Amino acid sequence: NAGVTQTPKFQVLKTGQSMTLQCAQDMNHEYMSWYRQDPGMGLRLIHYSVGAGITDQGEVPNGYNVSRSTTEDFPLRLLSAAPSQTSVYFCASTKVGRNYGYTFGSGTRLTVV
Amino acid sequence: AQTVTQSQPEMSVQEAETVTLSCTYDTSESDYYLFWYKQPPSRQMILVIRQEAYKQQNATENRFSVNFQKAAKSFSLKISDSQLGDAAMYFCAYRSARSGNTPLVFGKGTRLSVIA
Repeated sequence: NAGVTQTPKFQVLKTGQSMTLQCAQDMNHEYMSWYRQDPGMGLRLIHYSVGAGITDQGEVPNGYNVSRSTTEDFPLRLLSAAPSQTSVYFCASTKVGRNYGYTFGSGTRLTVV
Repeated sequence: AQTVTQSQPEMSVQEAETVTLSCTYDTSESDYYLFWYKQPPSRQMILVIRQEAYKQQNATENRFSVNFQKAAKSFSLKISDSQLGDAAMYFCAYRSARSGNTPLVFGKGTRLSVIA
């Protein structure tokens, strides 16, 4: 049981480049989400999904796109990277229902130069 | 919208001593969950303890316990017999219990140092 798998673990991009952060879970969790972590800011929600074909915006969605074609995968796309997107990104999943905790991936450290 | 406030950016504790990390939250809901997550230098987010708002009894997990004051909207974490491995960032988080989409809302974190 792998849990939540994020790839890559580290990435350096040039301003204007695009890339996709991958997130996959094998726990049949309906709910998946992306957070970014910046110093002194805690974790802020970017996008989330309550099931295949359903996505919604969180607190800081600008500059990011998501899609959910399968239950297992929830990729995060940066179409034109900006230095302000330098951050650590976490994918997290959970089952919808009472008292289920979230399972987090190990994070992706992204630097945009 | 719900908010979570951790008023102590940094804390330190002597090894084997007890430390309490503070967390307050703002919500108009009556049914929700509260969590404490630990993030060591490895960056991994580790669930330390959880509390259901409808349960009056404070949650405990080995050396970790909470003081949940629902009326005051306070949810502090007590770490007893502190160990060097407890050094980490600690995040308090809130999750609504309503059905459907219920994202975690995080505080800004408290960095805990443990002094040998």
